[in-house]
Amino acid sequence: GESVGLHLPTLSVQEGDNSIINCAYSNSASDYFIWYKQESGKGPQFIIDIRSNMDKRQGQRVTVLLNKTVKHLSLQIAATQPGDSAVYFCAENIEPLFGNEKLTFGTGTRLTIIP
Amino acid sequence: NAGVTQTPKFRILKIGQSMTLQCTQDMNHNYMYWYRQDPGMGLKLIYYSVGAGITDKGEVPNGYNVSRSTTEDFPLRLELAAPSQTSVYFCASSYSAGGFGTEAFFGQGTRLTVV
Repeated sequence: GESVGLHLPTLSVQEGDNSIINCAYSNSASDYFIWYKQESGKGPQFIIDIRSNMDKRQGQRVTVLLNKTVKHLSLQIAATQPGDSAVYFCAENIEPLFGNEKLTFGTGTRLTIIP
Repeated sequence: NAGVTQTPKFRILKIGQSMTLQCTQDMNHNYMYWYRQDPGMGLKLIYYSVGAGITDKGEVPNGYNVSRSTTEDFPLRLELAAPSQTSVYFCASSYSAGGFGTEAFFGQGTRLTVV
């Protein structure tokens, strides 16, 4: 079946540097994507989202880029801080031909910020 | 502001036992989801609901049942627990799906061990 996947399971970045987390998706019908952050022992928390009619969206220190041609999504975190250490998931909203739309998550990337 | 509340936080079950994981939200959200997260893995959708009285299967529904008799509550039932159901279970809710600002809010999770 179609699914969301991530290129790298782990990523270590020096504090203060920028980080880029990548995500590949295979469902061309996906029209909405979300990045979540999950800290240890907690549930995922929303970071930023983007709709398929956009290629870039910016938040506070975070930017999401969407490349529909190659079905690729990325999350850029600027000036990383120790509190950015977490697992990051991309998720896509699939609106199937039959049935109700639903949110599907990728495997996740563990980001570690090195002091 | 409780958000999404899951109970219990931890549970150990013996093989063949049954239990219900409770989930309630106080945000008047239409959508509710149940995910499981195995160690080092992403979130797999078990069941979801787009409103009271409506439930849909996700990716991994076998061995589980749900009901949605009210907007607030979305319990997950495990019948005949198996070791393969050892996981962390997350309940989530959102106002809708697929639009800006309609991110899913997650509970803190239930860590279930089947022995």
